[in-house]
Amino acid sequence: TQLLEQSPQFLSIQEGENLTVYCNSSSVFSSLQWYRQEPGEGPVLLVTVVTGGEVKKLKRLTFQFGDARKDSSLHITAAQPGDTGLYLCAGAGDAGGTSYGKLTFGQGTILTVHP
Amino acid sequence: DAGVIQSPRHEVTEMGQEVTLRCKPISGHNSLFWYRQTMMRGLELLIYFNNNVPIDDSGMPEDRFSAKMPNASFSTLKIQPSEPRDSAVYFCASSLSGIGQQFFGPGTRLTVL
Repeated sequence: TQLLEQSPQFLSIQEGENLTVYCNSSSVFSSLQWYRQEPGEGPVLLVTVVTGGEVKKLKRLTFQFGDARKDSSLHITAAQPGDTGLYLCAGAGDAGGTSYGKLTFGQGTILTVHP
Repeated sequence: DAGVIQSPRHEVTEMGQEVTLRCKPISGHNSLFWYRQTMMRGLELLIYFNNNVPIDDSGMPEDRFSAKMPNASFSTLKIQPSEPRDSAVYFCASSLSGIGQQFFGPGTRLTVL
């Protein structure tokens, strides 16, 4: 069974601060996705990282996939109240490949950015 | 374009009752996923359909849960009989292909008293 551990579970910060969310596993994933979920809505995909060591930037968000494709991080620079939400990482498949993109989700990080 | 549509958005029922959740995937998508989200267990895949055929139902918790996809534009998840521990938010997601980006619906919040 592939497991993804996210940390921290809760993060409460002031506007303008930087933060990093971590996603770790003992398993290798073919790709890793980051989602953001707001109350009363479904998760929305932010980014997919595929290559070990890959770094992707989305405005103030920086996503990194570990060299061994077992871990990932999400860094937010100068957080804003609009960044508040639940952030989820999800690993797809494994090194051996799967018949479909079965996603294994981490428990999530609840981020609150205070104005 | 309409996204994934789920109904009802909220369902409150009593233990022992049958519950049916509905999902309309994005038109043209051939893969459909049912998930359950709770605080304790996070987001878990229940079942995956490809071209209306169930491919992986290993996440379905027990025989009380069943899912069908009679056509490409409709799927149901049924719980009979429902139990308080089934209380959760149930999401449906669809994708163009089994490995493509999954688009989630708004979810159905189920409360079993």
